[in-house]
Amino acid sequence: NAGVTQTPKFQVLKTGQSMTLQCAQDMNHNSMYWYRQDPGMGLRLIYYSASEGTTDKGEVPNGYNVSRLNKREFSLRLESAAPSQTSVYFCASRDNANTGELFFGEGSRLTVL
Amino acid sequence: AQSVTQLDSQVPVFEEAPVELRCNYSSSVSVYLFWYVQYPNQGLQLLLKYLSGSTLVESINGFEAEFNKSQTSFHLRKPSVHISDTAEYFCAVSIEGAQKLVFGQGTRLTINP
Repeated sequence: NAGVTQTPKFQVLKTGQSMTLQCAQDMNHNSMYWYRQDPGMGLRLIYYSASEGTTDKGEVPNGYNVSRLNKREFSLRLESAAPSQTSVYFCASRDNANTGELFFGEGSRLTVL
Repeated sequence: AQSVTQLDSQVPVFEEAPVELRCNYSSSVSVYLFWYVQYPNQGLQLLLKYLSGSTLVESINGFEAEFNKSQTSFHLRKPSVHISDTAEYFCAVSIEGAQKLVFGQGTRLTINP
């Protein structure tokens, strides 16, 4: 019952460094999502992938890239990290029943100095 | 486009008191509605959802929410809260066939003994 697994759970970067957040789901879901959570702002969608081989921008895509490696995995890359990208990042996958229900990972806390 | 407004950013209550967390949405079409809960240092978990049918939906831990179409609301209630209910609660909306789930800003529920 792994569900959605994210790595790493914590990361500290210096401004300008790059890193990739990894996400995998074992529920055979078609759609996967990356959100960021900031105090008082709820969850904001960065990118999503409706199916293997497709990706689309969400509300706040600037400074990020994504790769839908296969049906299970959806990674988020920061090419040149900025302090404004300090946040908690959540990966999620969506129930194929098309009702919109999401299943979340435990989050990755990123600090950019 | 859909949007969600959670009217209170923080709600402090005493243990065993009733609580209501307010959520209003805007959409020109039929919606699916969700409440998610986030316990400290964890990801989001689905608390309850409204897809269709009865407008009153319940969770296994005593929460309930009522879909009110005329007032475009989906308020969350519990008649008697427990310390373990301390968490942040997110209201979210989706429409059939849509890829995205739109979240409110969150309400932090604090239970005082």
